[in-house]
Amino acid sequence: QQQVKQSPQSLIVQKGGISIINCAYENTAFDYFPWYQQFPGKGPALLIAIRPDVSEKKEGRFTISFNKSAKQFSLHIMDSQPGDSATYFCAASKNQAGTALIFGKGTTLSVSS
Amino acid sequence: GAVVSQHPSRVICKSGTSVKIECRSLDFQATTMFWYRQFPKQSLMLMATSNEGSKATYEQGVEKDKFLINHASLTLSTLTVTSAHPEDSSFYICSARWSDYNEQFFGPGTRLTVL
Repeated sequence: QQQVKQSPQSLIVQKGGISIINCAYENTAFDYFPWYQQFPGKGPALLIAIRPDVSEKKEGRFTISFNKSAKQFSLHIMDSQPGDSATYFCAASKNQAGTALIFGKGTTLSVSS
Repeated sequence: GAVVSQHPSRVICKSGTSVKIECRSLDFQATTMFWYRQFPKQSLMLMATSNEGSKATYEQGVEKDKFLINHASLTLSTLTVTSAHPEDSSFYICSARWSDYNEQFFGPGTRLTVL
C-alpha cells in the first residue's frame, strides 16, 4: 500500500513558468512533509518542509501548500529555471523516535530554455 | 551544517565478494541513521533503520544477513553487502537525523556495481 502518492510522474515547463507537483498521503499520523530535490547520481537534498500547523510555507521561489483536511500537499516552483531540472520527491513521516521518511515515487521536471 | 558523507562514492566488485559502505555525520551526532536503496528512475526504498548501539531494524523483504548494518558511534554507520551479486547493483544512500523532531540529511550516495 503506497502511503504517499505523487503526481505527475514527469513534467515539462517553459523557463519562467510555474511548476506544480502534488502529493497525497493516507496516514493522518504524519506530521512532517518535506520535499527533496535530486540530481542524477547525487543524494537527495532537502528543499523545503512543512508541518501541519501551517497551510503554506514559502522559501524563495519554492512554496509548499498544505491541505490537512484533504490530506494533500503540493510544491510550487515559481519562475522555473533550467537549473531546476531534476527529480523531486515528496515525503512524509511521523514525529516519532526512529521513524523514517516515506517517499513518493518522484517527479522528473524538465525546464526548457 | 548538517553534512552527511558516504564512502566510497562508487565501487565495482566481483560477484561473491563483500563490500562495506560508510556513512558519517560530519558536524552533528546522529541518533538515527537510515539506509535506502534506489534503482534507476525509481524512488528511495528504505532498507533499514539504525540507532547507535542497538541492532538495526530491517524493512520487510530486506535480508539482514546479507545487508549487515553497524552503527557503532553517533557519527558512523556502515552497511556491508555480503556475497554481492549483480542484482545487488544499485545506488545506496544513507541519511541521518540528530533528534526525534528534525529532518533527515542525506549522504551523496554510493553507486555499487557487481560484475
